[in-house]
Amino acid sequence: DVKVTQSSRYLVKRTGEKVFLECVQDMDHENMFWYRQDPGLGLRLIYFSYDVKMKEKGDIPEGYSVSREKKERFSLILESASTNQTSMYLCASSPTGDRGPTDTQYFGPGTRLTVL
Amino acid sequence: GQNIDQPTEMTATEGAIVQINCTYQTSGFNGLFWYQQHAGEAPTFLSYNVLDGLEEKGRFSSFLSRSKGYSYLLLKELQMKDSASYLCVVADGSYQLTFGKGTKLSVIP
Repeated sequence: DVKVTQSSRYLVKRTGEKVFLECVQDMDHENMFWYRQDPGLGLRLIYFSYDVKMKEKGDIPEGYSVSREKKERFSLILESASTNQTSMYLCASSPTGDRGPTDTQYFGPGTRLTVL
Repeated sequence: GQNIDQPTEMTATEGAIVQINCTYQTSGFNGLFWYQQHAGEAPTFLSYNVLDGLEEKGRFSSFLSRSKGYSYLLLKELQMKDSASYLCVVADGSYQLTFGKGTKLSVIP
């Protein structure tokens, strides 16, 4: 079974703090993604990576950065957390296979981040 | 642009059949996924269609018509545990997927 793990299920931070969210997958997938999910807005892509040290902006990259130093690990960084970054953050991974650049995405359990 | 439409909420009775519709307009098409998401949990993969027609997997079936930009997810013999949000997701051939906002299904006794 594909396993995607995230470092925390719940996190509470203060405005201005630097926040690190870690994601690890154990299936040797090329592609990794960070989303945020908010009520009424659905899943929105923040950043994705299709290879080690490669990153691409998604739909809402402002206020975020990412790091992928190893194939299995993809980190999301909030440089200076703000209250509007309170959200559920979901990490996903997928192989590059017959279905094109991205095959089925497998999601981690999510991190519910609250910024006070 | 990319756009996916699906109903916001649906209610159905335990043991019944429910059909969740999805229409999409995307710049490219490389397949359509359905995901299930229980409250507070991560989405989990249900089905994938890339050719027209019906794919059946146990109690769940998914249909695709590429010419109409239309798909549906059919759930039979509904159980209480099927109460969840169902996400219609389109792959356009790039690295990104386009997610619908989800249909919240409530199964009542």
